[in-house]
This record gives sequence, C-alpha cells and structure tokens, in this order.
Amino acid sequence: SQQGEEDPQALSIQEGENATMNCSYKTSINNLQWYRQNSGRGLVHLILIRSNEREKHSGRLRVTLDTSKKSSSLLITASRAADTASYFCATEGSASKIIFGSGTRLSIRP
Amino acid sequence: DTEVTQTPKHLVMGMTNKKSLKCEQHMGHRAMYWYKQKAKKPPELMFVYSYEKLSINESVPSRFSPECPNSSLLNLHLHALQPEDSALYLCASSQDTRAATPYTDTQYFGPGTRLTVL
Repeated sequence: SQQGEEDPQALSIQEGENATMNCSYKTSINNLQWYRQNSGRGLVHLILIRSNEREKHSGRLRVTLDTSKKSSSLLITASRAADTASYFCATEGSASKIIFGSGTRLSIRP
Repeated sequence: DTEVTQTPKHLVMGMTNKKSLKCEQHMGHRAMYWYKQKAKKPPELMFVYSYEKLSINESVPSRFSPECPNSSLLNLHLHALQPEDSALYLCASSQDTRAATPYTDTQYFGPGTRLTVL
C-alpha cells in the first residue's frame, strides 16, 4: 500500500497565485521528498526535508513537515505556466526504497 | 554530468517479441532502479540494483528481466509481455542505498521509455 496520500488530486489555479499541496503518510519517517513530473517525462527532485526539520525553502518552494500529524505540505508561490506538472511526495519504505504518494496534478491557467 | 539517459524513448512490441530497455548514468551512483508508471498513477518500484547486485525485486513477473552489466548501465529485458504491461518505464539512480546515515538518497530519473504492447 502507498505510504503517502496527496491532497488535492488535482488543482487548477491562475498564474501568479500560490499553490498548496498536502501529503499525509502512515508510518514514522526519516525524511520526506517532493518530486515534480512533467507530462510523460521523468521525475525531478525538488526538495528533501528531514524528520528533525519543520520547514525548508528552495526558491519559490516552501515545504513544511509536521511529524506529529504525519503530514507535509508543498507551497509554490507566484505560480508560472511552467509549474504545470504532477507533484509527488515520497517517503522511505523498507530496505531504503522510496514510495511515492498518489500525486497532485497542478494546472496553471494563463 | 547529472543526467540519466534512457533508450529508446518509445517502443511498440508484439506479445511474442523480445526487446530491451537501456539506462545509463555517469554520476558514479551505485544504486539503480526500474519503475513502472501507468497514466495518472505514481511510479511503482520494480527492481533495485545496489553495487551491481539485485537487491530488491518487487515480485515482478519473470517476463521482465533486469540486468546490470556495470555500475553505469542498467537494462530491462522484455519477453512475452502482455498488453497490460504498456506503461512508462522509468530508470533512476542514486548515490548509495546503503548510505552511512539513515536518510534516503535522492533519486535522479531518466526521461522514461513509453512502451506499448500490442
């Protein structure tokens, strides 16, 4: 079964607005990663947040982690058309493999 | 060079064909992965190679046969596939699945091979 579930499944916003995606997971983790996937392409690593961190920034990306609620959020500020993609959270499973969440499909309207 | 390359980009094959997917990285990574991804679904792990040895096989049918000839190359041999095997096949690599810390490695993905089985 999937470790991470994402919410919403799909999100459509106007260019320039902020986009927030949430990820919930079931078991304790050492870290959580976020990946982006453009349609039909490979995944691109965005950011990794460790279990002892609460917030991390990278450019227009802000990731938070609440281990007590077993949840994480990804905020993209000032969205652009190029941000249109699917976004996946990923947590570690057994034997050091990672397990991807169900994903959020983000569409940015011009 | 931070790129993972995959060939071919697209592959159409019949159920009796034998074909191979290829993946290559030159980042010195010692772990390589095969994933299968269906439309609007997350990637599903198939195989993990660590230091050129198969370390994880996620109960994948034997019609998929992985091979790691050296630390830079990863192949996936396909034989007698079914139409439901049609998907995007993604290769990834990371530094080391047996890292000294408990933290999981970042994975670098190739662009994928779009496979259609007729």
